[in-house]
Amino acid sequence: DAGVIQSPRHEVTEMGQEVTLRCKPISGHNSLFWYRQTMMRGLELLIYFNNNVPIDDSGMPEDRFSAKMPNASFSTLKIQPSEPRDSAVYFCASSSGLAGRDEQFFGPGTRLTVL
Amino acid sequence: GNSVTQMEGPVTLSEEAFLTINCTYTATGYPSLFWYVQYPGEGLQLLLKATKADDKGSNKGFEATYRKETTSFHLEKGSVQVSDSAVYFCALRRLAGGGNKLTFGTGTQLKVEL
Repeated sequence: DAGVIQSPRHEVTEMGQEVTLRCKPISGHNSLFWYRQTMMRGLELLIYFNNNVPIDDSGMPEDRFSAKMPNASFSTLKIQPSEPRDSAVYFCASSSGLAGRDEQFFGPGTRLTVL
Repeated sequence: GNSVTQMEGPVTLSEEAFLTINCTYTATGYPSLFWYVQYPGEGLQLLLKATKADDKGSNKGFEATYRKETTSFHLEKGSVQVSDSAVYFCALRRLAGGGNKLTFGTGTQLKVEL
């Protein structure tokens, strides 16, 4: 299996622009998670989906952030408009949710820089 | 609510030294406990896990024992290598009402020198 795939790996944009991050979970996994990692705040869970349905979005920082999962093999995290404080590494993770095999598998991350 | 507390880093050790990274947790019920490792420039990888009290998780020479009486899950390795340099995250998952959501600690950076 290819593991969790994220694109792009690096994104540099200017303040005010729209940014879209993409994630393809491991085939057969039914839970998907978006995290943000910064030096100041560490690893934060932004939102997670179960069977394509958002379950907990309490970590989404504000209305500029939105996430979708239109099908079991694709999710997006959108920031519009972007701000310099959004600069971070964004990780996507997936898990099968099966008893005893519930660990999360992380993608390589997208490093976002907002100038 | 659920929380995980890890020792502050960075931890700097010489190769072949003994490693302990402390982790304690707060949670209701019986959470599953995990250690994840993040190598530079990569995502987190599961290192080991334990799902019930007194279970010992082990992998790549690392081990951790689920201690319910002290609410701890300390990570240990008898002899570290330079290649173990990474950031280590302790995490818990409380099944009831928590779904697959993990609560992570802040991470502990380990640096191993020759």
